[in-house]
Amino acid sequence: QVQLQESGPGLVKPSGTLSLTCDVSGDSISRNKWWAWVRQPPGKGLEWIGEIHHSGRANYNTSLKSRATISVDSFKNQFSLQLSSVIAADTAVYYCASQLFGDGKYAYDIWGQGTMVTVSS
Amino acid sequence: DTQLTQSPSTLSASVGDRVTITCRATENINNFLAWYQQKPGKAPKLLIYRASPLESGVPSRFSGSGSGTEFTLTISSLQPDDFATYYCQQYNRYSFYSFGQGTKVEIK
Repeated sequence: QVQLQESGPGLVKPSGTLSLTCDVSGDSISRNKWWAWVRQPPGKGLEWIGEIHHSGRANYNTSLKSRATISVDSFKNQFSLQLSSVIAADTAVYYCASQLFGDGKYAYDIWGQGTMVTVSS
Repeated sequence: DTQLTQSPSTLSASVGDRVTITCRATENINNFLAWYQQKPGKAPKLLIYRASPLESGVPSRFSGSGSGTEFTLTISSLQPDDFATYYCQQYNRYSFYSFGQGTKVEIK
């Protein structure tokens, strides 16, 4: 059974860099999948951040103005999110998710449980 | 970028009711539309992809329809487990993915 688990600091200072990792179990990060990050501010809706394929090809939400970087670590079977120059509005629950590349669904069918990140001094 | 607008934002209904949620896109997205269910403190769960096919394991009381710019999610007979927030999500090859603002289905 494929499982995704987010981890990282729960508190980040303004203007700092948010760094999160998603551990993949029951599957290989090198499988033909898209590995994604989605966030949800408290009491609000979902926002797509971006996704990456193990080949290194990545797509991002342009509204984040190039602050987001997603990377893959095949040796550790995990992928990561870095969000730079964070502000209070970046406070959210961050989810990692995945979908099979080329299955035609264009939707994420596996999700992590989410991790809360607060931006505050 | 493609924007999605869901209506209503909140829906009050009773067990057994037929419930319909609408999602409208600002441009033609063909059938690249998915629906998710989210319960408090939990991750979203995929219900429907490409506008109408049901994800494996999703009860048949859920159905999706539409194409182009207007889509609907219907629950034929609302069950106690269905009280949750529902999100639509679109894909296009230019701006990739975005979500609607959500529709909360609450107990009447």
